[in-house]
Amino acid sequence: DAGVIQSPRHEVTEMGQEVTLRCKPISGHNSLFWYRQTMMRGLELLIYFNNNVPIDDSGMPEDRFSAKMPNASFSTLKIQPSEPRDSAVYFCASSLRGETEAFFGQGTRLTVV
Amino acid sequence: DQQVKQNSPSLSVQEGRISILNCDYTNSMFDYFLWYKKYPAEGPTFLISISSIKDKNEDGRFTVFLNKSAKHLSLHIVPSQPGDSAVYFCAASADANSGYALNFGKGTSLLVTP
Repeated sequence: DAGVIQSPRHEVTEMGQEVTLRCKPISGHNSLFWYRQTMMRGLELLIYFNNNVPIDDSGMPEDRFSAKMPNASFSTLKIQPSEPRDSAVYFCASSLRGETEAFFGQGTRLTVV
Repeated sequence: DQQVKQNSPSLSVQEGRISILNCDYTNSMFDYFLWYKKYPAEGPTFLISISSIKDKNEDGRFTVFLNKSAKHLSLHIVPSQPGDSAVYFCAASADANSGYALNFGKGTSLLVTP
């Protein structure tokens, strides 16, 4: 299994632009999580899905952030418009519901200038 | 509101000695605890876990201890090796209703020196 795949690995964009991060979870996993890592806050949960349905998005910082999971093998995290304070590493993780171990992708390093 | 706290941002240990990483939590509903290890430019990888019904779990050089009354857990690595140098994250989850979403601490950067 290729593991959780995220793209792009690095993204540099200008303030005000739309950014879309992508994630392909491990095949067969039915829970998907988006995390953001910053020096100040560590790893914080943004949103998670069970069976493609968003369950808890209370960690999404603002309305500028949105996430979708149109099918079991794909999810996106969109920031529109982006701001410099959104600069961070964004991780996607997936797990088999009922098991607590989540598998992480390699992350997307986002820089907003 | 940080429900999982790792109060030591960094730790330096000599090779062969014991590394002890600490973690505290505030949510009494947490019933499963995990440690993840992270190398630069990689995602966190699962290391070891413990259920709240246990107070110790061992896997090779890694042992996790849980003290529920103190809401405290620790990871012991013995003997420490230079390859153990990484950032270690403590994580906790509540129950199935939360989808087992993990709450993470800010991490402790471990440096094992030869």
